[in-house]
Amino acid sequence: EVQLLESGEGLVQPGGSLRLSCAASGFTFSTSAMSWIRQAPGRGLEWVSSISPGGDHTYYADSVKGRFTISRDNSKNTLFLQMNTLRAEDTATYFCSKIEINSGRWLFDDWGQGTLVTVSS
Amino acid sequence: DIQMTQSPSSLSASVGDRVTITCRASQSISSYLNWYQQKPGKAPKLLIYVASILRSGVPSRFSGSGSGTDFTLTITSLQPEDFATYYCQQSHSSATFGQGTKLEIK
Repeated sequence: EVQLLESGEGLVQPGGSLRLSCAASGFTFSTSAMSWIRQAPGRGLEWVSSISPGGDHTYYADSVKGRFTISRDNSKNTLFLQMNTLRAEDTATYFCSKIEINSGRWLFDDWGQGTLVTVSS
Repeated sequence: DIQMTQSPSSLSASVGDRVTITCRASQSISSYLNWYQQKPGKAPKLLIYVASILRSGVPSRFSGSGSGTDFTLTITSLQPEDFATYYCQQSHSSATFGQGTKLEIK
């Protein structure tokens, strides 16, 4: 059974930083692309970032490009999201998701339960 | 960037009803369209991918269709557990979600 467990929840001031982690189990992490997807309170889903299985290719939404960095440690089956220069509009629940590649395109086929990031003074 | 627009934003229906949710892309995305279901306080779950392929374990009352820019999710014979919010997502170019359709009990 695929399990994704996010951690790093917190309250941070605008301009601050936070690092999220996602511990993965139940599948071969090192051969799976992974993503972070967020959901602001009461709002819809927004793709944030994705990373290739080996970590050599990364992708970002325009809204976080230059501020967030996705990375992974395949030896520890863990995905990370380093968030810098945080803004109030980054307040959201952040979900870690496993990507299934179908016809070269992304499916988010398994999700963690999410971790809440609040940016407020 | 590809924008995804769902309609309606909310929908009231009764157990046993048939409902249809529409998703429109701002440009052609071929069949690279996926549907997710989310219940309050829970993570989304993948229901349908590549427009019409039902994920294993998803009840057959769910179906998807469409290609190009216009897509539909249909649920026949609504069950109590189907009341949730549904999102479409394009995978033609990175990923974009629709704004969601909240399906409520009438």
